[in-house]
Amino acid sequence: QVQLQQSGPGLLKPSQTLSLTCAISGDSVSSDSAAWNWIRQSPSRGLEWLGRTYYRSRWYSAYAPSVKSRIVIKADTSKNQFSLQLSSVTPEDTAMYYCARGPSPLRVWGQGTLVTVSS
Amino acid sequence: QSVLTQPPSASGTPGQRVTISCSGSTSNIGRNTVNWHQQLPGTAPELLIYADNQRPSGVPDRFSVSKSGTSASLAISGLQSEDEADYYCAAWDDILIGWVFGGGTKLTVL
Repeated sequence: QVQLQQSGPGLLKPSQTLSLTCAISGDSVSSDSAAWNWIRQSPSRGLEWLGRTYYRSRWYSAYAPSVKSRIVIKADTSKNQFSLQLSSVTPEDTAMYYCARGPSPLRVWGQGTLVTVSS
Repeated sequence: QSVLTQPPSASGTPGQRVTISCSGSTSNIGRNTVNWHQQLPGTAPELLIYADNQRPSGVPDRFSVSKSGTSASLAISGLQSEDEADYYCAAWDDILIGWVFGGGTKLTVL
């Protein structure tokens, strides 16, 4: 079955770039029936969808308006994984970050990475 | 402030039936299917119900969903202690062009 394994640093300083990776097993990041999402969860904002990438003859990415100017989600086909980069982080970006497989439903989730932004 | 509205808490005794509501709008629940996720303490959300009322393998039929217009409800019958968790509704929003979630309902089994 599909499994997602997240990795990446958990502590950042303000203005740094958050970088997380989600390694896929049991599926292909290039599957034309999948979409690869990033979602975060915090007590103040609840569950918040950040964006997704997917392959349909070419690569597409879509982002939530709240982070659109700071986010990049991209696939690495050589490693069968996808990544999240969120630039210029502030303490408000402190949250548990999850990757998840779609398109619908969000059937499989990664284990989560707690990211703390603090000076 | 979450796009979908859920009550923050719900409770019941073992064996009881409880319901959790989820209210949205025409751009999300009104046009697209609703999914429900269960989150046990310290773990990632897990898919509980999808496509309005489909259960992944392993999810008992004690869990069911009803939907009408821009609202949906999750019903749990024969409540068990292991059902104590946070429950989230989710739907795709055609205007925001992304997933939207409820604020979550913490279910306590008394």
